[in-house]
Amino acid sequence: GESVGLHLPTLSVQEGDNSIINCAYSNSASDYFIWYKQESGKGPQFIIDIRSNMDKRQGQRVTVLLNKTVKHLSLQIAATQPGDSAVYFCAENIPAAGNKLTFGGGTRVLVKP
Amino acid sequence: GAGVSQTPSNKVTEKGKYVELRCDPISGHTALYWYRQSLGQGPEFLIYFQGTGAADDSGLPNDRFFAVRPEGSVSTLKIQRTERGDSAVYLCASSLSNTGELFFGEGSRLTVL
Repeated sequence: GESVGLHLPTLSVQEGDNSIINCAYSNSASDYFIWYKQESGKGPQFIIDIRSNMDKRQGQRVTVLLNKTVKHLSLQIAATQPGDSAVYFCAENIPAAGNKLTFGGGTRVLVKP
Repeated sequence: GAGVSQTPSNKVTEKGKYVELRCDPISGHTALYWYRQSLGQGPEFLIYFQGTGAADDSGLPNDRFFAVRPEGSVSTLKIQRTERGDSAVYLCASSLSNTGELFFGEGSRLTVL
């Protein structure tokens, strides 16, 4: 069925390095994508979003890239900090399915000091 | 309150019992969502309210699950005859409209013994 998935379940990063988290989606009709960060014992926290009419969006230390040709989404975190350690989820919205986000399985990012 | 509030934060119950989980959304948010998250997985959609009505309940796994939002604000997720497989974190989210960013609560962790 339609799904959002991630390539790497765990990513270890040296503090100060850049992180790249990848996500593949399978529904070409998806029009909106969001990256969420979830720390242990907490709910998902919005990081950044992008609509399908864009291919890049930047926030504070984060950049989301969207490649609709290969249905690929990535989150880049610049100068990774210990506070970035968490599980990151990408989510997609499929208009025909109503306004409900479909989440991928998550990537755990571990920042090494 | 400032964010989405969920109670209880933890609930332990016995198989076969009835459980209610409460969600208090951000004031003024018309859309409210319930998701379920199992360990190591992304949140799975259960039901979505627009105002008082359930706009989409396609994610409810079976008829033991039911949710209400009688006054268009607080919502209660009700689970009858709980089973061990119902053990998960139940997340609530709200948004200003049905196309806006979802703000998640910290979840209610349900353990069915």
